[in-house]
Amino acid sequence: GDQVEQSPSALSLHEGTDSALRCNFTTTMRSVQWFRQNSRGSLISLFYLASGTKENGRLKSAFDSKERRYSTLHIRDAQLEDSGTYFCAAGSGGSNYKLTFGKGTLLTVTP
Amino acid sequence: EAAVTQSPRNKVTVTGGNVTLSCRQTNSHNYMYWYRQDTGHGLRLIHYSYGAGNLQIGDVPDGYKATRTTQEDFFLLLELASPSQTSLYFCASRDQDTQYFGPGTRLLVL
Repeated sequence: GDQVEQSPSALSLHEGTDSALRCNFTTTMRSVQWFRQNSRGSLISLFYLASGTKENGRLKSAFDSKERRYSTLHIRDAQLEDSGTYFCAAGSGGSNYKLTFGKGTLLTVTP
Repeated sequence: EAAVTQSPRNKVTVTGGNVTLSCRQTNSHNYMYWYRQDTGHGLRLIHYSYGAGNLQIGDVPDGYKATRTTQEDFFLLLELASPSQTSLYFCASRDQDTQYFGPGTRLLVL
């Protein structure tokens, strides 16, 4: 099975609402990185976490520091420009550092 | 902010054709990566490298070669392109914590 499972696979939000995306790992991971891909295909790094939480504007991400088996991305007061596909990627750590990506959450924010 | 560029941005070739995708990063990062992105699969790692002359095999390497000629330049080679290699290809470089992605190359194999 997939090492990184994202949910939901698609999400529709009205402007001004809040929601959360989730990323589950089948094994303990060293770190997690969240990305947003826009309609042109560009991938933008949102957060890198090795533990705890980080916040940037209306986005907040958390990484379960205990078991290191899941991460969340919270979107507050969703705006139209938040639309896109959100990917989480788990870092394996060590000298051969690789990211394993989830399949993404397609977020559509509507007026 | 890391600068990662890719060329070409779009490429069309025929089955059996020879294709080279280029990636350059200008921040002296050691690690560089090649991914492909396909609907239903997210991004999958093809090859990566931690320095000039080094090559590591990723998760979906079949049909691809790669070469890291300098700290800045990482190339992905498809010597006998097949329609199954039609995809969006991303290159990335990495500093200590974060991967930075190029704009992508859309490859169509007819």
